[in-house]
Amino acid sequence: ETGVTQTPRHLVMGMTNKKSLKCEQHLGHNAMYWYKQSAKKPLELMFVYNFKEQTENNSVPSRFSPECPNSSHLFLHLHTLQPEDSALYLCASSQVLDWEDTQYFGPGTRLTVL
Amino acid sequence: AQTVTQSQPEMSVQEAETVTLSCTYDTSESDYYLFWYKQPPSRQMILVIRQEAYKQQNATENRFSVNFQKAAKSFSLKISDSQLGDAAMYFCAYRTQGVNNDMRFGAGTRLTVKP
Repeated sequence: ETGVTQTPRHLVMGMTNKKSLKCEQHLGHNAMYWYKQSAKKPLELMFVYNFKEQTENNSVPSRFSPECPNSSHLFLHLHTLQPEDSALYLCASSQVLDWEDTQYFGPGTRLTVL
Repeated sequence: AQTVTQSQPEMSVQEAETVTLSCTYDTSESDYYLFWYKQPPSRQMILVIRQEAYKQQNATENRFSVNFQKAAKSFSLKISDSQLGDAAMYFCAYRTQGVNNDMRFGAGTRLTVKP
């Protein structure tokens, strides 16, 4: 699958570090998403961008900061994370229409916070 | 709030046999979409099948089919002629109709395929 790519695939960081996750979609979609996937828990929607505008922020701590410079790119900036933030972070994209909105996922970034 | 429940954390099936994964959801909406996603060990989530709630006919995609029971709010996935490559985590998901990005996922079912 190359429709949605994410880098890096693995990231280990200390609690005082600053890092960024990158997502790029090659599907011509107009919406992008960040999800957090923790073991044995449902996927948690973190942020949604429609047409580059943030439309959803599900009570995510401010140590996570999203950025969407254009409809193809999405970043998640990380700073002063906690060990409980260790998880798989998935990016997805979709074409937002009134009747069809299937989301396509990237491979994820496995984040470990020491 | 809409919730999605997958009551089977793990399932196993013999190669070439059929297996059914369960999913129930809670909603007060009448129009919505349901999805099954597959996440193999390589981690990329792949759409398996989708169902529009207004359609009475169950969706099918090759060896994958659903049993959509709207009144019971049930949306099970049947995999026929199971293959080793079907081994993965399977997630059921729900989304309301309209320009709405809030998709709710179940906790997943891990499917093992035995040779």
